[in-house]
Amino acid sequence: GAGVSQSPSNKVTEKGKDVELRCDPISGHTALYWYRQRLGQGLEFLIYFQGNSAPDKSGLPSDRFSAERTGESVSTLTIQRTQQEDSAVYLCASRKGGDTQYFGPGTRLTVL
Amino acid sequence: AQSVSQHNHHVILSEAASLELGCNYSYGGTVNLFWYVQYPGQHLQLLLKYFSGDPLVKGIKGFEAEFIKSKFSFNLRKPSVQWSDTAEYFCAVSSSSNTGKLIFGQGTTLQVKP
Repeated sequence: GAGVSQSPSNKVTEKGKDVELRCDPISGHTALYWYRQRLGQGLEFLIYFQGNSAPDKSGLPSDRFSAERTGESVSTLTIQRTQQEDSAVYLCASRKGGDTQYFGPGTRLTVL
Repeated sequence: AQSVSQHNHHVILSEAASLELGCNYSYGGTVNLFWYVQYPGQHLQLLLKYFSGDPLVKGIKGFEAEFIKSKFSFNLRKPSVQWSDTAEYFCAVSSSSNTGKLIFGQGTTLQVKP
């Protein structure tokens, strides 16, 4: 079966614009995570979805960041009024039960 | 707060050399431990994991890691590296009692010279 997919693979935007990143998890995976990797740093947790439960938003760095997920399907991460410090690779991962997280290829966001 | 520290940021080895990458974590409760690898141009993928039981864990491609609870460590080892092991390696921790969100170390870039 297909793995986790993300789109776009690359996004270049101007400071102040809004961007939307998409994640398609593996079918049947109930848990979905967003992480961010800034240059030279490890991955930072952003947000977690589990089925229809309230998401864990504890990792979102500011109120400019938001994410949605409908049921156990696609998720979108939205960054409003982008800043240069938002430049990073945004990774999505999905998981079934207590199993391993499977990562997508990431979206490389560059804010000019 | 949980944190993960990887001591080596960039390691250069010759083929057949032995590898040990250090990983220490800070967390008072029960943890699950992971090593992920990212080969050039590829996705992040799981190398091995420890949830419970035997603290010596074997993973793919001849890698192993040992969980030493008293030292809060989960070091990655391989007796003899190959050129194809050139990649970035990430240690990660999750609490056994929470959402499974991973706390990652900064990563170690391994370069193996043929």
